[in-house]
Formats: sequence, C-alpha cells, structure tokens
Amino acid sequence: LAKTTQPISMDSYEGQEVNITCSHNNIATNDYITWYQQFPSQGPRFIIQGYKTKVTNEVASLFIPADRKSSTLSLPRVSLSDTAVYYCLVGGNNNAGNMLTFGGGTRLMVKP
Amino acid sequence: NAGVTQTPKFQVLKTGQSMTLQCAQDMNHEYMSWYRQDPGMGLRLIHYSVGAGITDQGEVPNGYNVSRSTTEDFPLRLLSAAPSQTSVYFCASGVAGVIAGELFFGEGSRLTVL
Repeated sequence: LAKTTQPISMDSYEGQEVNITCSHNNIATNDYITWYQQFPSQGPRFIIQGYKTKVTNEVASLFIPADRKSSTLSLPRVSLSDTAVYYCLVGGNNNAGNMLTFGGGTRLMVKP
Repeated sequence: NAGVTQTPKFQVLKTGQSMTLQCAQDMNHEYMSWYRQDPGMGLRLIHYSVGAGITDQGEVPNGYNVSRSTTEDFPLRLLSAAPSQTSVYFCASGVAGVIAGELFFGEGSRLTVL
C-alpha cells in the first residue's frame, strides 16, 4: 500500500491560493492520486484525480512531478466554504486485493 | 437518483449487542466499501466488495462481518458491539476496475456503544 503523508492543518485567508502537498514515496506504477474534501458530519466528496503532470477542473488543480512521489492540490481563491478536511488517496485499481486507504488528511481553515 | 443511502443515521447500543448497518446504492456500482471514522481522525477501511458474492478485508476488519448478495446492498454487521466501535461509519461505492475512480459516499451512520 502506498502510504501518504500530509500536513495536519493549514490556515489561509479568503481570496488566497492554497496548496496542499501529499507525499507518497512508495507509489506504484499503476497507482492514481485522488483528492477528497470532507465537511463536518458529511461523507468525503471527490475533488480531482490524476496520474502525472497537471490536471485541472472547475474547482482545483492537481500537480504531480515526474517522479510522482508527491502531489499538490491547488485551490484557487479560497472562500470560507472551503474550510474542510482534505484527503489524499493513492491507489490503482480497486479490484479484489487492492485496498483504497485514506491518510490522516489536512484540516484547512479559511479565515475572513 | 438517491446515490448511496445509509441507515440508520444514529444508533445507540449496549456492549454485547449486535446490529446491522445498511448501505444501498442505485448507481449499479460493482465496488462498495465500509469505512469508520473516529473523532478527529481519518477514515479506516473495514471491508470492501468488488461485486456480488465477493468480499475482502480492509485495514480494521475485526468485529465486523459483511456480505454482498446483490449489487445494490452491502450491509455491515457488528457481531458483539464494544465501546471501541463507537464511531461514524461511512459506506462508499464506485466503479470497480483498472482505475480506482471516484468514490461516492453516504451521509454516515453515527454509532455509540455504551
């Protein structure tokens, strides 16, 4: 299993760009990197997924260097509603014998 | 489209009691899983399934049983509840296959064991 390491918490202010980095030194060739967002008392929600280089969607960007041993979730111009816990998940397929495990997550606090 | 539905949302048990947490999805997903989340902690995988009749253990399977008789349902059974099983339980589903894509989560079931 590719173990992930993220900062426990981060603070930011409204309107700023936030970058959250996840380390996954033993990522396997077939593994993808997926980020989830979780609000209190809710289940996690998918944000973005990538394999290498850069992926962008309407809410975030994901930067993955060539060695793929880390990844950075970038949230542009955060607002108070982005206060949440963000999880990095590394895994390949989810067939039998392949577990999808979450790390501890990063608690992002956006201040006015 | 209901997505992933978990019942009950809240439950209080006494030590030694048994119960079943229900999970149903209407997206025809092959993959389903159960996670537990203790206060202030991340999610830990209990059991998962890649299709009807197929289940596998996750990181913390002890004290829990699962079965997958249909594609839609994936119940989690607590055999003899213990205070250490006090937690919020999340069911998730997704497409099984070569790329582990988006997981869809239920709203959670909050369990307290006295």
